[in-house]
Amino acid sequence: SQQGEEDPQALSIQEGENATMNCSYKTSINNLQWYRQNSGRGLVHLILIRSNEREKHSGRLRVTLDTSKKSSSLLITASRAADTASYFCATDSSGGSNYKLTFGKGTLLTVNP
Amino acid sequence: GAVVSQHPSRVICKSGTSVKIECRSLDFQATTMFWYRQFPKQSLMLMATSNEGSKATYEQGVEKDKFLINHASLTLSTLTVTSAHPEDSSFYICSAERPGATTDTQYFGPGTRLTVL
Repeated sequence: SQQGEEDPQALSIQEGENATMNCSYKTSINNLQWYRQNSGRGLVHLILIRSNEREKHSGRLRVTLDTSKKSSSLLITASRAADTASYFCATDSSGGSNYKLTFGKGTLLTVNP
Repeated sequence: GAVVSQHPSRVICKSGTSVKIECRSLDFQATTMFWYRQFPKQSLMLMATSNEGSKATYEQGVEKDKFLINHASLTLSTLTVTSAHPEDSSFYICSAERPGATTDTQYFGPGTRLTVL
């Protein structure tokens, strides 16, 4: 089954506004991570939140996790044009040595100057 | 921070030829590397997990004879797309797991754009 479904698929906002992206998943997880990808480039790790955490901050990023609803949100405050990118959530639901990440479909964020 | 490189960044080949993509961890030793494929405007799909000194573990639906993975050293994993066809055209991304890291993160390479004519 698909793990890590983000919504919206695309989001367009003005510079200075906040951007909120959501991610839902289906199975139990160890942690959930958010990554950023500029067009045609590799992924950059943004933030990791463990299953026993509910909220985490890093600079202009705020991530929440609701394990009862199997959902997470990524909030980018005071957005900048340079934040334009695709954002993916990824879940780690493996056990023992079988570690792997399952990525969602991503949200394409466009921040207009 | 941890750096992972890929080579080449772009490759164009003729149908039927084989292409090798390298993934290197530049400042750490990676016992485990991962290979992903990403089609345009889609998510990353894990193809296989590459373990140094042992056979790769392939995900369901990924042909191991078509996508050969070799993890011969702690800093290098290679993915060879054999007898490539146009449908293999994609963005291939590798990542490496850093032993002893305080967080369970993977460090991603910049990706390789493969175009099969």
